[in-house]
Parts: sequence; C-alpha cells; structure tokens
Amino acid sequence: DARVTQTPRDKVTEMGQEVTMRCQPILGHNTVFWYRQTMMQGLELLAYFRNRAPLDDSGMPKDRFSAEMPDATLATLKIQPSEPRDSAVYFCASGPTGAKYNEQFFGPGTRLTVL
Amino acid sequence: QQQVKQSPQSLIVQKEGISIINCAYENTAFDYFPWYQQFPGKGPALLIAIRPDVSEKKEGRFTISFNKSAKQFSLHIMDSQPGDSATYFCAASVGNAGNMLTFGGGTRLMVKP
Repeated sequence: DARVTQTPRDKVTEMGQEVTMRCQPILGHNTVFWYRQTMMQGLELLAYFRNRAPLDDSGMPKDRFSAEMPDATLATLKIQPSEPRDSAVYFCASGPTGAKYNEQFFGPGTRLTVL
Repeated sequence: QQQVKQSPQSLIVQKEGISIINCAYENTAFDYFPWYQQFPGKGPALLIAIRPDVSEKKEGRFTISFNKSAKQFSLHIMDSQPGDSATYFCAASVGNAGNMLTFGGGTRLMVKP
C-alpha cells in the first residue's frame, strides 16, 4: 500500500530554532507539494516541485523558509529561524504525471509547535 | 485572492440527513473539480471529482453537482452517517497546469447520531 511518509509527526521547538521536515513521496510520483494548514488560513500551498525542480514557491516566506528535493525519494522543508506564527500542520503531497488530471496523495502531516 | 470560495464553514446534520456543501470559483480556465475529505489527525484524501463536461457525478452516497454557467459546484452526502464527520475541501485546477490544485477554505461537517 503505497503512501506518502512524513517525519517527524510532531515537533515542538523554541522560537529561533531551525526546523527540518522531511517527506518521502510515493515511488514513481514526480510532483511534490508542501502545504501548511491552520484554522485561520486553511490549506496554503507553500511550494511545488516537478521532477525535483521547484515550479512554484510563491506561497512560501522566502526569508525563513526553504524547500528542496535532494533526490527523488526525499523532499525537505526548512524553517530558520522559526517563529510562533509558524505553528501549524505541514503536509506533503505527491502526485503522478502522465495524465491531465491527477490526484494528490497527502501524507499524515507534521504538527509543528513553536514556543 | 481566494479563487475558490467554500460554504458553509461548518455544518451539523442529523444522521440519515442530507449534507450539502457549496463552492464557487472565479477562474473560468478551471476544468477539474475534486473534493477531498480529511479526518482529524490525517491528511486530506480524494473523495470524488468531476470535469465540466458533465453536470453531475455520483459515487455511492456522494454526489457532485456542477453548474458551469454559475461557476458553482456542490457536494451532496445522502444518508449522512456519523462516520462522515470530517472536514471537506473543494478544489479546482487547470488541466494544462498539471496537478496543482486551488483549495477552498474547508467545511467541518458533524453528523449527529
């Protein structure tokens, strides 16, 4: 049963610390998305990769957030320095290409709390 | 700019009742309209999707109604069950943009026993 995995599942950190979240997309999927979910803002797209190349990161605060895909099996989202307003659930999703309309498969999320 | 507007934000329905969630979009280039279901502590998962060449799609108790002229689409859950209690997101995408989705704000549904 293929699924997207994310680590860690929960992270509590103090303001100013670096946070790294990891995602393993489904094998064979070559699009990867990072979302942030909060009660106030709902699901916000932070970054979007296709074939490991960043296509859209306009939703991401550039001064403190960075997203990369070191290889096809790993996507990372880093926050440095973290701030209390970054507290949210961060989801990674992956999707196949080849069809015009494609489902996004979401991971279980990383719940981040910045104190 | 919120391109997909979803209502209501929350909904309480009695067991066996009909749940209705509405979405409106602005971008006429959208040509794929999925609904995602999210349970607490889980990521969203695709529930049902429609393309604008049909006005309705039904899968079990779940039906999407689509009105292209009004730029609106809705999710109907027939015979709602407590197990349907979850957050529902509508979304939209443009086919030639691959699978990048624009999500609505979400509706938290509670089905009372």
